[in-house]
Amino acid sequence: GAVVSQHPSRVICKSGTSVKIECRSLDFQATTMFWYRQFPKQSLMLMATSNEGSKATYEQGVEKDKFLINHASLTLSTLTVTSAHPEDSSFYICSATRPDQVGETQYFGPGTRLLVL
Amino acid sequence: KQEVTQIPAALSVPEGENLVLNCSFTDSAIYNLQWFRQDPGKGLTSLLLIQSSQREQTSGRLNASLDKSSGRSTLYIAASQPGDSATYLCAVRGSEKLVFGKGTKLTVNP
Repeated sequence: GAVVSQHPSRVICKSGTSVKIECRSLDFQATTMFWYRQFPKQSLMLMATSNEGSKATYEQGVEKDKFLINHASLTLSTLTVTSAHPEDSSFYICSATRPDQVGETQYFGPGTRLLVL
Repeated sequence: KQEVTQIPAALSVPEGENLVLNCSFTDSAIYNLQWFRQDPGKGLTSLLLIQSSQREQTSGRLNASLDKSSGRSTLYIAASQPGDSATYLCAVRGSEKLVFGKGTKLTVNP
């Protein structure tokens, strides 16, 4: 199976600081990666779709200047939460697709818990 | 806009019981449907993926069905075990993205 990792798994930061979350596909090249956020007892909501070498496509209502996404290589995408505030506290999960597989299954990372004080 | 609903929101059963989790979606123009498991504070583990042309998929004690025309899917878990306790998420894929339901939190009591 395909493995997707995220780092860090948990992060606590002060309000106003920026936090970077990494998403890596460990054993395959991912042309597309997705970033989701999940509030307690809520569903995963897609934030943006990231394609290697191009600008990310953000979902409606997601501020692109606040949530900076960089997909610099076929195995790494980063999400930077800029000037984080307490309302940004959430569970952030990335996923990656293997285009060589039928159905383009998304493989999910273990998630990053962000707490902004 | 696609909406995915899962019923029930929570379910508690004794060990050994067979159970069914339900998922419904509003737009039948889907590419595939996927069931995931999520343990507390963890990421998602894919359980079963059903292509739009398929009716069901099976993996071990799990069986997922898809009725695209009626916008419904069920996840059947046979002989439930305490280790099955988790939140089960249903997600449908349209042309581009996955849309998730809120999940069913399952507790299997020893």
